[in-house]
Amino acid sequence: DAKTTQPPSMDCAEGRAANLPCNHSTISGNEYVYWYRQIHSQGPQYIIHGLKNNETNEMASLIITEDRKSSTLILPHATLRDTAVYYCIASSGTYKYIFGTGTRLKVLA
Amino acid sequence: DAGVIQSPRHEVTEMGQEVTLRCKPISGHDYLFWYRQTMMRGLELLIYFNNNVPIDDSGMPEDRFSAKMPNASFSTLKIQPSEPRDSAVYFCASRSSTGGALTEAFFGQGTRLTVV
Repeated sequence: DAKTTQPPSMDCAEGRAANLPCNHSTISGNEYVYWYRQIHSQGPQYIIHGLKNNETNEMASLIITEDRKSSTLILPHATLRDTAVYYCIASSGTYKYIFGTGTRLKVLA
Repeated sequence: DAGVIQSPRHEVTEMGQEVTLRCKPISGHDYLFWYRQTMMRGLELLIYFNNNVPIDDSGMPEDRFSAKMPNASFSTLKIQPSEPRDSAVYFCASRSSTGGALTEAFFGQGTRLTVV
């Protein structure tokens, strides 16, 4: 599975959009981009995934560049409860996830 | 479904003792994963099973660690003998192959292990 690179930390004002970038320049054609988050010491929680098209669900939007070498997770209206570590994972059909170090997002009141 | 259930939630044990962590996956999920999380190393995949069979145990740190899945609804991770450096939060996760790679993994709440 491709290695991903994320900034170690980011701040976002409450109510504003949080844009979390992820670089996956070595991603292969059959690898999906998955996003998970971990709030405090809880188990990681699935957010969204995509292959090449942009995706949106009730939690977030995922924007994948045309060359698929990077993506951005967008939380449209961040709340204090969105403070967490966000993980970007590139994975094919092996079913296992290899987690990187993630981005620690702090939403500020 | 109650989700992935892990027990105990917290475990404190003395160095040298045997520790057994337990996991009940979501019913119908055919993949089960054990992860370990520490501040220094982050989230590490230890081992995963498919249909109760271990597929990849390359992440198991050493022979003191063993994992079993005797049936589709139960798995254990055993450390014998335990050492202080095994102190970590251990997560179990399960996932269904129905839908292929599109399915998400569900994680338990973790077991916080402290070896003194």
